[in-house]
Amino acid sequence: GDSVTQMEGPVTLSEEAFLTINCTYTATGYPSLFWYVQYPGEGLQLLLKATKADDKGSNKGFEATYRKETTSFHLEKGSVQVSDSAVYFCALSSGRNTPLVFGKGTRLSVIA
Amino acid sequence: SQTIHQWPATLVQPVGSPLSLECTVEGTSNPNLYWYRQAAGRGLQLLFYSVGIGQISSEVPQNLSASRPQDRQFILSSKKLLLSDSGFYLCAWSVDKNTEAFFGQGTRLTVV
Repeated sequence: GDSVTQMEGPVTLSEEAFLTINCTYTATGYPSLFWYVQYPGEGLQLLLKATKADDKGSNKGFEATYRKETTSFHLEKGSVQVSDSAVYFCALSSGRNTPLVFGKGTRLSVIA
Repeated sequence: SQTIHQWPATLVQPVGSPLSLECTVEGTSNPNLYWYRQAAGRGLQLLFYSVGIGQISSEVPQNLSASRPQDRQFILSSKKLLLSDSGFYLCAWSVDKNTEAFFGQGTRLTVV
């Protein structure tokens, strides 16, 4: 079945460091891909998405490119801030009318 | 615009007591609705989803149940809580199962 694999972390970075959180997927067909962010004690918020190969989703300085050849959707940010400390979830929608499939989440801690 | 409300925000219940968590969505019709659980430090577990009134799909057999008495209302229940039911419960909605989901703020349930 469809699945998402992401680095589990935790990831600890200094402020202004470069961030990469890896995400790879297994799916038949052409899924849509998403990154969600969860701040402490809150629900998940959609951070960005990409619906077809080579699309780049971006929001709040975060970017991720849908790479069909490597079945990946890695999340990147050039300069992280303390306020980016959160758990990040990669997810896919298979397009076959089944619920979203989530990765296990990656906890990011940014220290000043 | 669409909004999702989930309550209560926190709940402490004794073992063996009943549970009722409520979720409502505003600003959309016939949404797909979901209940997820997030155990401490763990990923998301899909518990139930519903594509319409009275239609419930269960992903994980356990002592929880869900109901959808109205189009935009989704209720998670239990007759007798277990310690293992403790966790962070998240309600979500989507236009359909092929698109992104939008989450409520969550309910922190502690069974003591």
